[in-house]
Amino acid sequence: LAKTTQPISMDSYEGQEVNITCSHNNIATNDYITWYQQFPSQGPRFIIQGYKTKVTNEVASLFIPADRKSSTLSLPRVSLSDTAVYYCLVGPSRSYSGAGSYQLTFGKGTKLSVIP
Amino acid sequence: GEEVAQTPKHLVRGEGQKAKLYCAPIKGHSYVFWYQQVLKNEFKFLISFQNENVFDETGMPKERFSAKCLPNSPCSLEIQATKLEDSAVYFCASSQREATAYNSPLHFGNGTRLTVT
Repeated sequence: LAKTTQPISMDSYEGQEVNITCSHNNIATNDYITWYQQFPSQGPRFIIQGYKTKVTNEVASLFIPADRKSSTLSLPRVSLSDTAVYYCLVGPSRSYSGAGSYQLTFGKGTKLSVIP
Repeated sequence: GEEVAQTPKHLVRGEGQKAKLYCAPIKGHSYVFWYQQVLKNEFKFLISFQNENVFDETGMPKERFSAKCLPNSPCSLEIQATKLEDSAVYFCASSQREATAYNSPLHFGNGTRLTVT
């Protein structure tokens, strides 16, 4: 399974742009990168997904360099409500047995704290 | 419905008792997934279904855990003879297609917090 590494935590002031980088050195050719956001006492929520270069939606941007060994989630002008844990996922990845279907594997995530 | 609904929100069981958790996926979604979040942020994949068929059960501790997704019923995750280490938040998610298909994100419920005492 492609492993991801993210900073454990980040702090930012309101109104600033926040960039969270995820390393995935052993990403496979058919893997793509997905980011989820989780608030306390809630399930994760899909933010953005991409394969290469840049993807932008109404919430965030995702930058993926040519070698695809890392990716950066960019949150423009964060507010207090963006305080959450952000997970970077890489997939599809076969289960460790090598058989059966694919599954998404969550890493430990980055806890973003937005300060007034 | 438009949201994944999980019940109950909280469940407390004594060690050795049975626990049963329920999940109603979003209407029209063919795939259902169960994840266990034990420590603060760490998720463990348990099992996935395609309609009522088990799709991937490689994460399931089969001795005590079982799951079903029957037609016209909420999906369920059952733990026989709970242990202290089963204390966790159990999340259910659904998706239109296989979770790792492009543009088929997982939609999560808000989880069931199981406390085993």
